[in-house]
Amino acid sequence: DAGVTQSPTHLIKTRGQHVTLRCSPISGHKSVSWYQQVLGQGPQFIFQYYEKEERGRGNFPDRFSARQFPNYSSELNVNALLLGDSALYLCASSWDRVYNEQFFGPGTRLTVL
Amino acid sequence: DAKTTQPPSMDCAEGRAANLPCNHSTISGNEYVYWYRQIHSQGPQYIIHGLKNNETNEMASLIITEDRKSSTLTLPHATLRDTAVYYCIVRASNTGNQFYFGTGTSLTVIP
Repeated sequence: DAGVTQSPTHLIKTRGQHVTLRCSPISGHKSVSWYQQVLGQGPQFIFQYYEKEERGRGNFPDRFSARQFPNYSSELNVNALLLGDSALYLCASSWDRVYNEQFFGPGTRLTVL
Repeated sequence: DAKTTQPPSMDCAEGRAANLPCNHSTISGNEYVYWYRQIHSQGPQYIIHGLKNNETNEMASLIITEDRKSSTLTLPHATLRDTAVYYCIVRASNTGNQFYFGTGTSLTVIP
């Protein structure tokens, strides 16, 4: 069974640009969450989507947005990139919104120059 | 908001049990304790979770104290592949899947 997949694996952008990161959850999982992990720190929660609706949002600026599609895949969009947005972006999926463990993908490494 | 306290680093001899402590003194009655680990630059890997009973699976054991203010993750026979950062996380069952990661414990298994 395929795990959580993310694309692209690596990405280099310049300040001011925008970026779209993609995530495909494990088959049957309806919840997708996004995390940002800056070097040396633990992952920080950005968004949770369940059944195509936003169910949770972390302390991130409005430059960050996301959506979930009918097939439960998800996109994370970041506008007006800053150097500080350089990080590993992780996607996690789970069966439901609340009770079950999350399974993480390998992440997308974003470098902003 | 990290709700857990873990030692920043630990060493363990290969083949010995690795016991990783975690303090969660402000844990509420409906909050679960989860453990994940992260090998360098990979996505976190689920290990185990529990509410108040001790739990065991093929990877590890989780012992939660009776007052639920602390817990210990045990890897019974540590191998070099267990070298990773281990995160102890508490998550309320009524706040969705928002996991609050701290900085974790960097476990090094020594040959």
